[in-house]
Amino acid sequence: DAGITQSPRHKVTETGTPVTLRCHQTENHRYMYWYRQDPGHGLRLIHYSYGVKDTDKGEVSDGYSVSRSKTEDFLLTLESATSSQTSVYFCAISEWTSGTPYEQYFGPGTRLTVT
Amino acid sequence: DQQVKQNSPSLSVQEGRISILNCDYTNSMFDYFLWYKKYPAEGPTFLISISSIKDKNEDGRFTVFLNKSAKHLSLHIVPSQPGDSAVYFCAASASNTGKLIFGQGTTLQVKP
Repeated sequence: DAGITQSPRHKVTETGTPVTLRCHQTENHRYMYWYRQDPGHGLRLIHYSYGVKDTDKGEVSDGYSVSRSKTEDFLLTLESATSSQTSVYFCAISEWTSGTPYEQYFGPGTRLTVT
Repeated sequence: DQQVKQNSPSLSVQEGRISILNCDYTNSMFDYFLWYKKYPAEGPTFLISISSIKDKNEDGRFTVFLNKSAKHLSLHIVPSQPGDSAVYFCAASASNTGKLIFGQGTTLQVKP
């Protein structure tokens, strides 16, 4: 298994509070991603990083921010949590290089409930 | 606009029979396709992939077929086993990006 951990694994929070989820990897992979999984939608990309301090938006980035100050850590912040952000969040890593096929490897997920 | 679609939310098959999971895509720039399997309370795990220069890739009981003209791929599992019961996601990417686009998933149940 790829060395990817996510913390916390479960969190319940109230509407309007800030929340930070952490992804930690031991594989030294360049690319890191945050997804959310919701019924009927599959996995949707929130933000991704292609290096330290280099990040970009995915398809559902509104209400989320990210930071990557070290290769091994990628943080996802919900600036003011809303009930629509109740979801399961997955971190993934890859060693993608332009023009080559690649796989992404996923962490175990964080179940977030916003009440 | 869903670029990758799995139109069957669920599939039930008998143990030992073939399972066929389908996936359609709309973006002709996609040139690499993957299947992931996901058990409850776990992250998705990579299963098998195929490049657009091929039309078939086989790995043990799992075979992926790609029909570029129809923009369609399928995953065949033969023979199906109860341990194959999971959610299966197809995903696609263009080789000039580092991103995957996932389908909605299909829940496979293999009955003993």
